[in-house]
Amino acid sequence: GQQVMQIPQYQHVQEGEDFTTYCNSSTTLSNIQWYKQRPGGHPVFLIQLVKSGEVKKQKRLTFQFGEAKKNSSLHITATQTTDVGTYFCAGPPGYALNFGKGTSLLVTP
Amino acid sequence: DTEVTQTPKHLVMGMTNKKSLKCEQHMGHRAMYWYKQKAKKPPELMFVYSYEKLSINESVPSRFSPECPNSSLLNLHLHALQPEDSALYLCASSQDQFRADRDGYTFGSGTRLTVV
Repeated sequence: GQQVMQIPQYQHVQEGEDFTTYCNSSTTLSNIQWYKQRPGGHPVFLIQLVKSGEVKKQKRLTFQFGEAKKNSSLHITATQTTDVGTYFCAGPPGYALNFGKGTSLLVTP
Repeated sequence: DTEVTQTPKHLVMGMTNKKSLKCEQHMGHRAMYWYKQKAKKPPELMFVYSYEKLSINESVPSRFSPECPNSSLLNLHLHALQPEDSALYLCASSQDQFRADRDGYTFGSGTRLTVV
């Protein structure tokens, strides 16, 4: 199936610092979804992006979908310890979600 | 009800055992999925059911056998598993397999399987 590449694999920040994870596809995506998985937990849906150039915000989280619909990013402003977890982007290959490798975020108080 | 319920939460089984994982949703979703997740890896798609029919089998070994008794239930029957099959097995559901869904996939909390 279609692959989405995600970087970085890990990110360790001090509380209050910003964080960004990037997702890239070699082909155009009809839409992209973002999920968060806390340690020991299950993936939880955050948002779906559909339109070219779309930007959506959820409190301190900002999600962007590239103009060519081949890349996406998640930016967290002023991280908190509650932001700890793995953030996955997931693209539809046409029949079901394929997850990127994820970015594991560690926040030090 | 906006949950996907999976049972059991933990399962230890021997390589000669037969066991089943269960998944239930009452959100009226017409697509249900089984994913396998190893430690520090992303979920990997195993099976997709759409309108109670098997839509996708991602070349999963026959020792894993899915079943969809009705629109709310999804089972995964396990037989003669190997230790390398130990993983977190996640069930998910969505409104429709092919339509972009603003609510995304709803995942259950998973069954943590250990094969000994």
